[in-house]
Amino acid sequence: KQEVTQIPAALSVPEGENLVLNCSFTDSAIYNLQWFRQDPGKGLTSLLLIQSSQREQTSGRLNASLDKSSGRSTLYIAASQPGDSATYLCAVGSGAGSYQLTFGKGTKLSVIP
Amino acid sequence: EAQVTQNPRYLITVTGKKLTVTCSQNMNHEYMSWYRQDPGLGLRQIYYSMNVEVTDKGDVPEGYKVSRKEKRNFPLILESPSPNQTSLYFCASMGQGALGYTFGSGTRLTVV
Repeated sequence: KQEVTQIPAALSVPEGENLVLNCSFTDSAIYNLQWFRQDPGKGLTSLLLIQSSQREQTSGRLNASLDKSSGRSTLYIAASQPGDSATYLCAVGSGAGSYQLTFGKGTKLSVIP
Repeated sequence: EAQVTQNPRYLITVTGKKLTVTCSQNMNHEYMSWYRQDPGLGLRQIYYSMNVEVTDKGDVPEGYKVSRKEKRNFPLILESPSPNQTSLYFCASMGQGALGYTFGSGTRLTVV
């Protein structure tokens, strides 16, 4: 059974810093990996989707990488801003038709002005 | 606008009173799924559906039912809710060629 771990569970950084969030998964037979952002009490906003054949995806200040063989993904946030404060969730797509998602428990990020 | 719509957003009910949480998507997606989110446990899959009339259990299906009579709708049914089903529920969908999963805004359910 796929297990997804996110480290650290919480992270506090001063505004302007670059930071890296980590995600690891136990079964490398994945179809895709998706990073989400969740604000308190709110829904999930998709940030980046990496297909299993890809190594990375970029969107603005965000860059996500994928190393299937080692079971790892990282989310890099450049020049962090207070508005980046949220919980970041990593989810791995595997199983029948690549549609089943297994989530990590998230990293809660606080960017201090 | 492409979206997944859940209703209601908030619901307080009493133990044993049947309820339905609706989920609808306008993207013609084949795949739909329900998750619950609890502190310390993260998001766990309840049920999923690969297409119309095709549903299957996720990791925590006990106490829930689903149906998929139409492609766009995937309601979650609690026949006899109990307090341990108090949670934040999310519906999600994805289609072939879609750029990832789309999630609804969530339904916060409290069972007293």
